[in-house]
Amino acid sequence: DAKTTQPPSMDCAEGRAANLPCNHSTISGNEYVYWYRQIHSQGPQYIIHGLKNNETNEMASLIITEDRKSSTLILPHATLRDTAVYYCIVGSQAAGNKLTFGGGTRVLVKP
Amino acid sequence: NAGVTQTPKFQVLKTGQSMTLQCAQDMNHEYMSWYRQDPGMGLRLIHYSVGAGITDQGEVPNGYNVSRSTTEDFPLRLLSAAPSQTSVYFCASSYRSSGTEAFFGQGTRLTVV
Repeated sequence: DAKTTQPPSMDCAEGRAANLPCNHSTISGNEYVYWYRQIHSQGPQYIIHGLKNNETNEMASLIITEDRKSSTLILPHATLRDTAVYYCIVGSQAAGNKLTFGGGTRVLVKP
Repeated sequence: NAGVTQTPKFQVLKTGQSMTLQCAQDMNHEYMSWYRQDPGMGLRLIHYSVGAGITDQGEVPNGYNVSRSTTEDFPLRLLSAAPSQTSVYFCASSYRSSGTEAFFGQGTRLTVV
């Protein structure tokens, strides 16, 4: 599975958009980009995933560059409850949907 | 739906003891997996299964055994607990089809003394 690189931490003001970058320059053609988050010590929570196209759901938007070597997760209106560690993961179903977690980005939403 | 259920939530073991962490899902997912998370670190894959009767090793399998006799259950066995196995353990499940989300349990916090 391709590895990802994320900034270790970032702050965001409540009510503003949070843009979380992720580099995955070795991603292969059949690998998806997944985003999960972990609040405190709870189990990770799925946010969104994509293959080539940009995606949006009720939680966030995912922007994938045309060459697929990087992506950005956008939380449109961050709230205090969005404070968490955010993990960007790439993987394929062929690998049994194994998820390789890196260090993630620790996001602190401030009032 | 209960989702992914892990039991127990907390456990303290003495070095050398054995125990089984339970994981059950009611979503008819083919894929199930076990992860461990040490303080301040990301999750690491221990073992995974792509269906009943099929299991394989992940990144850190030593000291752990698994079996998958049914679609619903995927227990993780510690044969002889060691302090290095003190960690939080998460079970996850997902469908087999491409690009699907994984559902995680709430974790089992294990301390080996």
